[in-house]
Amino acid sequence: EAGVAQSPRYKIIEKRQSVAFWCNPISGHATLYWYQQILGQGPKLLIQFQNNGVVDDSQLPKDRFSAERLKGVDSTLKIQPAKLEDSAVYLCASSSWTGDLHSYNEQFFGPGTRLTVL
Amino acid sequence: KQEVTQIPAALSVPEGENLVLNCSFTDSAIYNLQWFRQDPGKGLTSLLLIQSSQREQTSGRLNASLDKSSGRSTLYIAASQPGDSATYLCAVNTNAGKSTFGDGTTLTVKP
Repeated sequence: EAGVAQSPRYKIIEKRQSVAFWCNPISGHATLYWYQQILGQGPKLLIQFQNNGVVDDSQLPKDRFSAERLKGVDSTLKIQPAKLEDSAVYLCASSSWTGDLHSYNEQFFGPGTRLTVL
Repeated sequence: KQEVTQIPAALSVPEGENLVLNCSFTDSAIYNLQWFRQDPGKGLTSLLLIQSSQREQTSGRLNASLDKSSGRSTLYIAASQPGDSATYLCAVNTNAGKSTFGDGTTLTVKP
């Protein structure tokens, strides 16, 4: 079974530029997560999708970050314009959903995209 | 707001030692708790998932326990090996479906 795929693996941009990350979850996984992980810290949830709907985006800086999962499969996360403090690893994860409202199962993570903003 | 704390932040042990990593959380209304391993520059690898109705889970040399009432989970690693060196993270999922991670414990196992 293929794992969660992410691209690119590394990205270096200057502040005020824009950047986009792509994620393809494990086949059949309805739930998709984007996390931001700053060096030395645990991942912080940015946005959670259930199929193509947003479940939680309370910690997404909506003035500069956007995310979509149009067909309920792969997803893109965009930052525009980027700031120095956006330098981090952006992780995508997916999990299956049994149908129970609160049935969130094991999360599987991709390798991440390391973003450096200069 | 759920808060997850992992203590210690770093741990160094000699090879062969048994060790315990700790994870505490403030909101006991959790759905499940997941332990991960993260190697430098890599993504997270799932180790164990404990549902709120369970007390413990085992996989090989790893054993994770959960005490919801006290807001604690522990990850026990038996007979540690240099290959166990990594950062170990716990994540708590609440009934609202939100995942909150601790900042991890960085483990170094010396040969």
